[in-house]
Amino acid sequence: QKEVEQNSGPLSVPEGAIASLNCTYSDRVSQSFFWYRQYSGKSPELIMSIYSNGDKEDGRFTAQLNKASQYVSLLIRDSQPSDSATYLCAVNLQYNTDKLIFGTGTRLQVFP
Amino acid sequence: NAGVMQNPRHLVRRRGQEARLRCSPMKGHSHVYWYRQLPEEGLKFMVYLQKENIIDESGMPKERFSAEFPKEGPSILRIQQVVRGDSAAYFCASSLSSRETQYFGPGTRLLVL
Repeated sequence: QKEVEQNSGPLSVPEGAIASLNCTYSDRVSQSFFWYRQYSGKSPELIMSIYSNGDKEDGRFTAQLNKASQYVSLLIRDSQPSDSATYLCAVNLQYNTDKLIFGTGTRLQVFP
Repeated sequence: NAGVMQNPRHLVRRRGQEARLRCSPMKGHSHVYWYRQLPEEGLKFMVYLQKENIIDESGMPKERFSAEFPKEGPSILRIQQVVRGDSAAYFCASSLSSRETQYFGPGTRLLVL
């Protein structure tokens, strides 16, 4: 089992819809969770970080964490074509050092 | 406040040559991380450094790869005797302290001919 798993997509949604991106992780004691956005040929850009169970909202983005289910998700409301990118889920393992373990990413396509 | 800086942005090397990749962390950041992204793959951790110390090199290949973060100057990732399989994007990230958010630089795209 991979340490961090994401559906590779592509996930296609129409403009204005809600895009839901999911991530599961294998290490039960993981403490820190991050969503990065990566446009093709560019570097990862931090979207959200979340550390506690529940929801965290920032503008059009909401991160949801459920440690019991080892599941973290990202919701993008009112999706725009400019949101089309690969979304990377990253997990910081408690017992290890600061390294982030990344999923392979979900490619999101928002069509007009 | 300048972000993480990496240079060169693109680097072409022939097999057997050396590649040196440089990373200057964000101002005030003393923690540096190197990640590699192979084509169509996810980011893989390579090494974590603080000033003059390697904290975690568990993701670094045992041979040909080395990293340093001297007291003065940028962090350097060095790849000796490059092979075609080293062709990838190498990203540096920095953080303010342990377990803080990591911010990524623009990356160095290495192409080995």
